[in-house]
Amino acid sequence: NAGVTQTPKFQVLKTGQSMTLQCAQDMNHNSMYWYRQDPGMGLRLIYYSASEGTTDKGEVPNGYNVSRLNKREFSLRLESAAPSQTSVYFCASLPTAGVATEAFFGQGTRLTVV
Amino acid sequence: EDQVTQSPEALRLQEGESSSLNCSYTVSGLRGLFWYRQDPGKGPEFLFTLYSAGEEKEKERLKATLTKKESFLHITAPKPEDSATYLCAVQVIRAAGNKLTFGGGTRVLVKP
Repeated sequence: NAGVTQTPKFQVLKTGQSMTLQCAQDMNHNSMYWYRQDPGMGLRLIYYSASEGTTDKGEVPNGYNVSRLNKREFSLRLESAAPSQTSVYFCASLPTAGVATEAFFGQGTRLTVV
Repeated sequence: EDQVTQSPEALRLQEGESSSLNCSYTVSGLRGLFWYRQDPGKGPEFLFTLYSAGEEKEKERLKATLTKKESFLHITAPKPEDSATYLCAVQVIRAAGNKLTFGGGTRVLVKP
């Protein structure tokens, strides 16, 4: 029972490089989310997706793009990484679009931009 | 704009010293309020979901309550293993779907 799987777990990028963080869930959930967490802070929403083919901005979308490839997968892309994007990134999913229940989280991706 | 504010930012307790954490929110279209626990270097671990004002839920030494504007997480007779960051989040209805917004968290340290 994998739940929410994020890859990679760790990544070091040079300023200006691009990369894609992958997230996949095997629970047939409709809603998926990308967050970033800086040291000593809560989770800030980057983008979210209510269903395949739909996405919307959260609190801190600048510098990021997302793709909801299918119901299972939601990827986060950094086109030109900056040191300010050094953070821990979490992907989450919710069982259905219309009911508030437990959100399930991946184990996180620790990204360092030098 | 949806706002979720947690207080205090940090809390130091002696073992056995009960206390409460606050999560206040300003949102429209609330679907539910979540409480999570997070240990260093790990992802959030689910504790509770509250759906309507007046609702209460308990788990071991933790009790969560909800009003129309805020939620409290009460820690009764805490133990050192209760040391963690506690996060609250609100799920709200938006045209693009259900949005899940977190507060800044409360770091709790329980000393033996």
